[in-house]
Amino acid sequence: QVQLQESGPGLARPSETLSVTCTVSGGSISSYYWSWIRQPPGKGLEWIGYISNSGSTDYNPSLKSRVSISVDTSKNQFSLKLTSVTAADTAVYYCARIRSEAAPFDAFDIWGQGTKVTVSS
Amino acid sequence: DIVMTQSPDSLAVSLGERATINCKSSQSVLYSSNNKNYLAWYQQKPGQPPKLLIYWASTRESGVPNRFRGSGSGTDFTLTISSLQAEDVAVYYCQQYYSTPKTFGQGTKLEIK
Repeated sequence: QVQLQESGPGLARPSETLSVTCTVSGGSISSYYWSWIRQPPGKGLEWIGYISNSGSTDYNPSLKSRVSISVDTSKNQFSLKLTSVTAADTAVYYCARIRSEAAPFDAFDIWGQGTKVTVSS
Repeated sequence: DIVMTQSPDSLAVSLGERATINCKSSQSVLYSSNNKNYLAWYQQKPGQPPKLLIYWASTRESGVPNRFRGSGSGTDFTLTISSLQAEDVAVYYCQQYYSTPKTFGQGTKLEIK
């Protein structure tokens, strides 16, 4: 079955760029849509954005100026970059698969375990 | 953005009793062309990622016990757990995927009374 695994730095410095990668196993990344979602400590879930198997993207307007999502089909991975981070970006970052292969408007059916990123000097 | 508001924020229910969580969207998430409600429910236990329970407002994900039932349409939705089990203690979120940005409710914490 398809599994997702995030990897990240654990710690990011204020004003720097946060980079997190999601590795897809048990299936090809060349189908479906793939998303990033984050959860600050003790808080709820915030959708960051998604990327399609063809590389088209859509981002949350609240983060759009700072975020980019890319895909590397040769490695079966997709990645998140968030620039100019502050303490408010401290969160667990989850990658997730969108159920539908055809369109991004569907639920998140498979999630990674999450990677905690703390922004601190 | 579509704002999702859940009620209550927390809920304590006795084992074997019914638990009901409500979710209201600031605009309809019913797509008229296919008559589908673009609404999902997730369960999150401490230290774990969210788990998909229900999609299209009322379709149970494979493997989800049938004591979990989703209902509602348009802007008002309900997740019902018919007979609460100890393993159902968790935070529950609703989420709309009708439009971007996709948005979640604030969560409802379900505990045993």
